[in-house]
Amino acid sequence: EVQLVESGGGLVQPGGSLRLSCVVSGFTVSSSEMSWVRQAPGKGPEWLSSIKGSGGAIYSADSVKGRFTISRDNARNSLYLEMNSLRAEDTAIYYCARDLGGTYHSWGQGTLVTVSS
Amino acid sequence: EIVLTQSPATLSLSPGERATLSCRASQSVSSYLAWYQQKPGQAPRLLIYDASNRATGIPVRFSGSGSGTDFTLTISSLEPEDFAVYYCQQRNNWPLTFGGGTNVEIK
Repeated sequence: EVQLVESGGGLVQPGGSLRLSCVVSGFTVSSSEMSWVRQAPGKGPEWLSSIKGSGGAIYSADSVKGRFTISRDNARNSLYLEMNSLRAEDTAIYYCARDLGGTYHSWGQGTLVTVSS
Repeated sequence: EIVLTQSPATLSLSPGERATLSCRASQSVSSYLAWYQQKPGQAPRLLIYDASNRATGIPVRFSGSGSGTDFTLTISSLEPEDFAVYYCQQRNNWPLTFGGGTNVEIK
């Protein structure tokens, strides 16, 4: 059974940092395309960043480029999102998703990030 | 960036009725469009990919059509569990983008 479980969200002050984790089971991250998608309160989802399976090419949205970094640990079968210089507008639920050519077939339950002083 | 515009914003229908949701792209996305369903407190769930292909386990009452810039999600006969928000999403161009959603509510 495919499962994705995010963790690491919480309350952080503007300018702060957080590292989100996504532990995966039922498939291997090393051979899969994986993405982070967020959803601000009352809004539609927003794609943030993707890492391809073989080769590990990375794509990121302009809104987070230079601030957020996607990575993976094949040994832990996990995906990460390092978030720096956080802003109020980064407040959202953050989901990891298994990405098959840009379509999100499986999602985690999400982790809430709140940026506020 | 490709903008996806969904209409209507809200659709008020009764169980058993047919639902027709629209998604229009600001430029062609070929057939690379997906539809997701989201219920309160849950992650989105993939319904349709590449315009007309049902994802695993999705009931046949859900169907998708269209290509280029105009797409439609049809629910042939609404079940109580179908009342939710629906999003379209394109994968033809970076950045991947989602529409603003259509809320299908009980009339």
